[in-house]
Amino acid sequence: GQQVMQIPQYQHVQEGEDFTTYCNSSTTLSNIQWYKQRPGGHPVFLIQLVKSGEVKKQKRLTFQFGEAKKNSSLHITATQTTDVGTYFCAGSNSNYQLIWGAGTKLIIKP
Amino acid sequence: DSGVTQTPKHLITATGQRVTLRCSPRSGDLSVYWYQQSLDQGLQFLIQYYNGEERAKGNILERFSAQQFPDLHSELNLSSLELGDSALYFCASSDSGLANGELFFGEGSRLTVL
Repeated sequence: GQQVMQIPQYQHVQEGEDFTTYCNSSTTLSNIQWYKQRPGGHPVFLIQLVKSGEVKKQKRLTFQFGEAKKNSSLHITATQTTDVGTYFCAGSNSNYQLIWGAGTKLIIKP
Repeated sequence: DSGVTQTPKHLITATGQRVTLRCSPRSGDLSVYWYQQSLDQGLQFLIQYYNGEERAKGNILERFSAQQFPDLHSELNLSSLELGDSALYFCASSDSGLANGELFFGEGSRLTVL
């Protein structure tokens, strides 16, 4: 079936370093959404990208949607302890169903 | 506060039993989604309802069933429970039935099967 692959599964960074997670779909997506789940919490919507090649920024977070609408990335500049959590992408397929990536867990090294 | 209410927050039960999880969506949202999240795992989509009708089905076991009532609240019924059913069950709602809008998640119901 249709899948959205998300890598890496985990990323350990020092506070202040950058973080990036990538999502790749086997088919073209109508849109892609990003969510953040803090430890012990529930997923919270961050953003939705709709257009081919779209780039959106939220403070230190930069979201990209590929030209072919099959891949996306989330980049965090200069991570802070408040960024800790798991980041999920979720792509909408041609049947308007959300296909979720497995998530990337951001861990800040002490 | 997302506006989505889930009850109970925690539930401990034994194998073979049946439980019902309840979700009240955000005011005005017609879509309700159910997800299962096992410890430190991703979100497994179970089922979606839109305005009382089943819209999409994911990896939902036959032992599980759900429905959405006329007042738009939803219930997820889990029966013949097994140890592996222990997980966090999230409900999410949106105003769209077409997966093109933000999902608002509840805080989840944590089910422990002993």
